[in-house]
Amino acid sequence: GENVEQHPSTLSVQEGDSAVIKCTYSDSASNYFPWYKQELGKRPQLIIDIRSNVGEKKDQRIAVTLNKTAKHFSLHITETQPEDSAVYFCAAKEVGTGRRALTFGSGTRLQVQP
Amino acid sequence: GAGVSQSPSNKVTEKGKDVELRCDPISGHTALYWYRQSLGQGLEFLIYFQGNSAPDKSGLPSDRFSAERTGGSVSTLTIQRTQQEDSAVYLCASSLAAGQNSPLHFGNGTRLTVT
Repeated sequence: GENVEQHPSTLSVQEGDSAVIKCTYSDSASNYFPWYKQELGKRPQLIIDIRSNVGEKKDQRIAVTLNKTAKHFSLHITETQPEDSAVYFCAAKEVGTGRRALTFGSGTRLQVQP
Repeated sequence: GAGVSQSPSNKVTEKGKDVELRCDPISGHTALYWYRQSLGQGLEFLIYFQGNSAPDKSGLPSDRFSAERTGGSVSTLTIQRTQQEDSAVYLCASSLAAGQNSPLHFGNGTRLTVT
């Protein structure tokens, strides 16, 4: 099955700086890569996703990049703000057959220092 | 309801007892997932249901764990003879269709504490 590795496990940045979280996946059949944000005590929520037919996607201050050859993808947050502090999870899935569940990475705890 | 609903929100049980956790997915969502999140850890896949297909049980950690989904809607996760290592937050999620890149909508989870 799919295995998703995520790093770093914790990340502390100063407000206004950029943050980068990286993930690798093992199953070359995976073609859908979402990112979820989980604030303290709350449920995970989708913030952005990317499909394998594109290499980059951007939504305001967040962007994701995907390298299918190397089987890794990254989340980039620019101009970080204290409200970006949360745990971020990457995930991977093969979409098409509907037989596989979403496999999550172990999470990155981002702390934005004001 | 508007979102995924889970009950109870908190459950404290004694070691060796059985527990049942309930999930009401968003109406119309055909895919339903159970994940487990231990304190400060990631999201561990347990089981998922897609329509009338056989569920993917590959994530269940032992035969003490089982789940069912009746009528393609409500799901129940049952843990028999609970152990202390079962203590975690159990998250349910649903999506419109598992075969597409439909986002998962998570419930608030059930925090299980086994004493």
